[in-house]
Amino acid sequence: DTAVSQTPKYLVTQMGNDKSIKCEQNLGHDTMYWYKQDSKKFLKIMFSYNNKELIINETVPNRFSPKSPDKAHLNLHINSLELGDSAVYFCASSPSRFQETQYFGPGTRLLVL
Amino acid sequence: GQNIDQPTEMTATEGAIVQINCTYQTSGFNGLFWYQQHAGEAPTFLSYNVLDGLEEKGRFSSFLSRSKGYSYLLLKELQMKDSASYLCAALNQAGTALIFGKGTTLSVSS
Repeated sequence: DTAVSQTPKYLVTQMGNDKSIKCEQNLGHDTMYWYKQDSKKFLKIMFSYNNKELIINETVPNRFSPKSPDKAHLNLHINSLELGDSAVYFCASSPSRFQETQYFGPGTRLLVL
Repeated sequence: GQNIDQPTEMTATEGAIVQINCTYQTSGFNGLFWYQQHAGEAPTFLSYNVLDGLEEKGRFSSFLSRSKGYSYLLLKELQMKDSASYLCAALNQAGTALIFGKGTTLSVSS
C-alpha cells in the first residue's frame, strides 16, 4: 500500500493554463505539506496544513492555492502557470504539526511550455 | 533566519567511509534531520538528532553538535546503491516545518 500518493506523476502544460495536483495519505497523519524542488534540486516548503487548517504559507505567489477537504487529502491548484513553475512538487505528511519524520510522496513533475 | 550549508558534491569508492558535513544557523533549534534522495525519487528519512552526540543506525550514523551548529552523516561500507543526494534539514523556529539544505550529491564508484 502506498503511504503518500500523488497524481498525476507527470504534467506537461502550456503557459497560462490552470492545473491541479492531488495528494492523499493513508497513514492517519494530521499534518500535510507541499514542497517545490527546482532544477537545482533545492527542496523548499510551500504550505502546511494541520487537520485541514493552514499553518504555514511561505512566500508563494497567490496563483498557488492549496485545499484540504479532509486531513487525508491536500490538493494544490495552480492558476495561470508560468515557465518558472516547472519543478517537481512533493507532498509529504507527518503525524502532527510538531515535526516527527515526514513521509514524502513520489512527486509530480510539472513542465510548463 | 535560517541557513543550512553542505557540500554540493562528493565522490567515494565502494567499501569506503564518507562523512557529509552540514552547518546550520537557525533562530531557534528544534532538531536536525538527514534525508536520502535517489535520482527521480522522493526523499526518505535517514536520521533525526535533537541532542548532542552520535546516533548509529546500521551503516549510517549521524552526529550533532548544537554549540557548533554542526552535524555530519557518516556512511560506512559504501555500496553503489548509496549513490544519491543527501539532504540536511533543520526545523524552523516554530518546529512546524523543515528547512532543507541544497543537498550533497554522493557518487560511489567501484
